Amino acid sequence: AQTVTQSQPEMSVQEAETVTLSCTYDTSESNYYLFWYKQPPSRQMILVIRQEAYKQQNATENRFSVNFQKAAKSFSLKISDSQLGDTAMYFCAFYTGTASKLTFGTGTRLQVTL
Amino acid sequence: GAGVSQSPSNKVTEKGKDVELRCDPISGHTALYWYRQSLGQGLEFLIYFQGNSAPDKSGLPSDRFSAERTGGSVSTLTIQRTQQEDSAVYLCASTPSTGTDTQYFGPGTRLTVL
Repeated sequence: AQTVTQSQPEMSVQEAETVTLSCTYDTSESNYYLFWYKQPPSRQMILVIRQEAYKQQNATENRFSVNFQKAAKSFSLKISDSQLGDTAMYFCAFYTGTASKLTFGTGTRLQVTL
Repeated sequence: GAGVSQSPSNKVTEKGKDVELRCDPISGHTALYWYRQSLGQGLEFLIYFQGNSAPDKSGLPSDRFSAERTGGSVSTLTIQRTQQEDSAVYLCASTPSTGTDTQYFGPGTRLTVL
């Protein structure tokens, strides 16, 4: 069974600073997909970034980038130039075709302060 | 509409009553997922529909939970004889084909069982 672990229940960062959210996972699969989702107080789950495991290049989306370490089964999210609107719960998620579902971590609550 | 919609937004019910939660996926999306998010937890997979195939019900927590998808579009999640532990946010997601595509989430239904 796949598991996803987010070891930081809460984090805080000042506006314009950089913060890194950690995520580790466990799987015996070789081909899979990794995602970071953001959930603001509105409850809407919003995709932040996606990484295919077969791609060695780390995914980036504007201020968001990942550090994907396949051997270590680590998938951290870096948010640069943090903005107040980044305040939200962040969930790491894992998908394989054999399971046909997303497996989520328990989330990290990020607070961006002035 | 452009996104996944869910209704109702909030539902308060008494223990023992039945409830129905509705999900309208993005038009043309063949795959539909239901997840449950309990307070302070990540998302827990419930059920998955893909086209005309038999649904993957492996995540349903008990036989009080059922779901159907009519005409390959709208889906209804039914919880019979609700219990207080059923209180959670129920999220629906859809994808164009399989979960290797990005899953687009609806805003969820917050269910409170008194």
